[in-house]
Amino acid sequence: AQSVTQLGSHVSVSEGALVLLRCNYSSSVPPYLFWYVQYPNQGLQLLLKYTSAATLVKGINGFEAEFKKSETSFHLTKPSAHMSDAAEYFCAVSDPFGSSNTGKLIFGQGTTLQVKP
Amino acid sequence: DSGVTQTPKHLITATGQRVTLRCSPRSGDLSVYWYQQSLDQGLQFLIHYYNGEERAKGNILERFSAQQFPDLHSELNLSSLELGDSALYFCASSVGWRGGTGELFFGEGSRLTVL
Repeated sequence: AQSVTQLGSHVSVSEGALVLLRCNYSSSVPPYLFWYVQYPNQGLQLLLKYTSAATLVKGINGFEAEFKKSETSFHLTKPSAHMSDAAEYFCAVSDPFGSSNTGKLIFGQGTTLQVKP
Repeated sequence: DSGVTQTPKHLITATGQRVTLRCSPRSGDLSVYWYQQSLDQGLQFLIHYYNGEERAKGNILERFSAQQFPDLHSELNLSSLELGDSALYFCASSVGWRGGTGELFFGEGSRLTVL
């Protein structure tokens, strides 16, 4: 079964500092991986996705993530945090070609990013 | 704006009652997924419909049911409500369910409060 583990439920950085949100996945087949962001009182918005093309994926708002098969990781980074980045971030995995999958995403528990001035 | 519309945005009801949450997917999307978000359980997959047919069930209680209509909108029915059913319920849609680019597009959710 697929699963996602996000290390750290809360991450706090200073404005301008590097953002690193950690995600490790478990999947028996090559997965698709996603990062979503949820701002307060809003739905989930796709930041970026990995679908077996380039291992370094660039997304919106300056975020990027690198797929590392050997480490089963898909960590999210941003070189310089902005106050507007404060939100909850979710890593998700799917198995689009698996015989038992139907395209649903399995989400991690989420990481709340706090950005201090 | 994701193109996925959910109503109502907020709903307050009492224990034992029944509510219906509605979702209109993005134009052209055939798949609708329902998720429940709560503080203790996180984002839990409930159920998936594709072009009117149920494709997969997740952690959905027997008191809950869903359907997708010919116009592709979907409804999630929650009955015999309990305090623990208070949560944010999301609907998401996608073009298909196998292969493709995989991402789901989420609505803004329906916040259910059971008193």
